[in-house]
Amino acid sequence: QSVLTQPPSASGAPGQRVSISCSGSSSNIGSNYVYWYQQFPGTTPRLLIYWSNQRPSGVPDRFSGSKSGTSASLAISGLRSEDEADYYCAAWDDSLSGGVFGGGTKLTVL
Amino acid sequence: EVQLVESGGGLVQPGGSLRLSCVASGFTFSSYWMSWVRQAPGKGLEWVANIKQDGSEKYYVDSVKGRFTIFRDNTKNSLYLQMNSLRAEDSAVYYCARGLDYGVHFDSWGQGTLVTVSS
Repeated sequence: QSVLTQPPSASGAPGQRVSISCSGSSSNIGSNYVYWYQQFPGTTPRLLIYWSNQRPSGVPDRFSGSKSGTSASLAISGLRSEDEADYYCAAWDDSLSGGVFGGGTKLTVL
Repeated sequence: EVQLVESGGGLVQPGGSLRLSCVASGFTFSSYWMSWVRQAPGKGLEWVANIKQDGSEKYYVDSVKGRFTIFRDNTKNSLYLQMNSLRAEDSAVYYCARGLDYGVHFDSWGQGTLVTVSS
């Protein structure tokens, strides 16, 4: 059971917009930044969103992040087949004094 | 180019020990927080531990406290994870990650080293 809760799966057709949620608590998302990572099978994770809504250079602007209270979301617009991957949210947890990840969401492009 | 190369993984019996290493290159190692993150086969990511630039602060996930020790040698650009009293549930690919702060902001990851705890 992960400290941050994500739906195990999400899907959308090419060109559509999908959103992946990440639910936490006041000690993690509620008081710290949220980060999103993308991971393709057999590869290392890649930073997708930092400081809750910022994109590193090289990440397409189709990816966006938001945070409200103790929840965060990753939105992907103009869905492409190459977006099929696992997506993880992460945050620091002040109560645990440690990092926490969501369980991951497997995105399928129909 | 930032590079992180892990080593030291392998098969170990329950209760055994293993030391993982991560050699960094392409950046000033002593200027960054460093972390270990693991991923059990077919499972999600789990943050394990991190260490401040000078080694003065360390944090661990509860499940490894008292069993794992993170440390670094800035003269060798190396990060380590000493793992004792290993359990089956510690089996995972262990990634070394460069942190841009004390948290979970990782901009570079190693390729990982596989640890299997089994009799």
